[in-house]
Amino acid sequence: DAGVTQSPTHLIKTRGQQVTLRCSPKSGHDTVSWYQQALGQGPQFIFQYYEEEERQRGNFPDRFSGHQFPNYSSELNVNALLLGDSALYLCASSLIGTSGRDEQFFGPGTRLTVL
Amino acid sequence: AQKITQTQPGMFVQEKEAVTLDCTYDTSDQSYGLFWYKQPSSGEMIFLIYQGSYDEQNATEGRYSLNFQKARKSANLVISASQLGDSAMYFCAMREGPAGTGAGSYQLTFGKGTKLSVIP
Repeated sequence: DAGVTQSPTHLIKTRGQQVTLRCSPKSGHDTVSWYQQALGQGPQFIFQYYEEEERQRGNFPDRFSGHQFPNYSSELNVNALLLGDSALYLCASSLIGTSGRDEQFFGPGTRLTVL
Repeated sequence: AQKITQTQPGMFVQEKEAVTLDCTYDTSDQSYGLFWYKQPSSGEMIFLIYQGSYDEQNATEGRYSLNFQKARKSANLVISASQLGDSAMYFCAMREGPAGTGAGSYQLTFGKGTKLSVIP
């Protein structure tokens, strides 16, 4: 049973560039959430996708956008990169409404460095 | 005000001893869920244990137990018989709102974490 996978594992970009991160959810899961984890901090919620639509969004600017595909995989796009966007980006998948707790399963993350 | 507070930036515990990691939370919702995750240096967040706000008994999962004190809004993680592999960051997180309702309250709010070091 494949868990959550993310690609790439590491990425180095320069300020002003654009980046796309990818996530495949755990088998059978239909919901994908993205989190940003700055060094020494807890993860912060960016947004969540369900049925190919963004259903909830955290306090992040419009430079952060996403997409969910019919196979439930997802992309996170960040435009006009800033130095402060350097972080570990975590993808989490879940299957809403079946377990009574809706726990989210996380992938290994993509470490983005902006120079 | 922070929704999840973890007051211990770092903790040390002797191997085979028990350790308690503190977590307090703030919400006005009656229905919510509390989670603990472990994050090794590799970065992946590993789910450990869950407590629902209406659960009458404290949750247990193997060596992990959750000391849930609803009136005090605390959800402390207890790790018994610590092992060297328990050395990691530990995060407390909260989901506000009931599970599985489609209400959109599915985001997890995390604390800043506690770094646990197990000493041989």
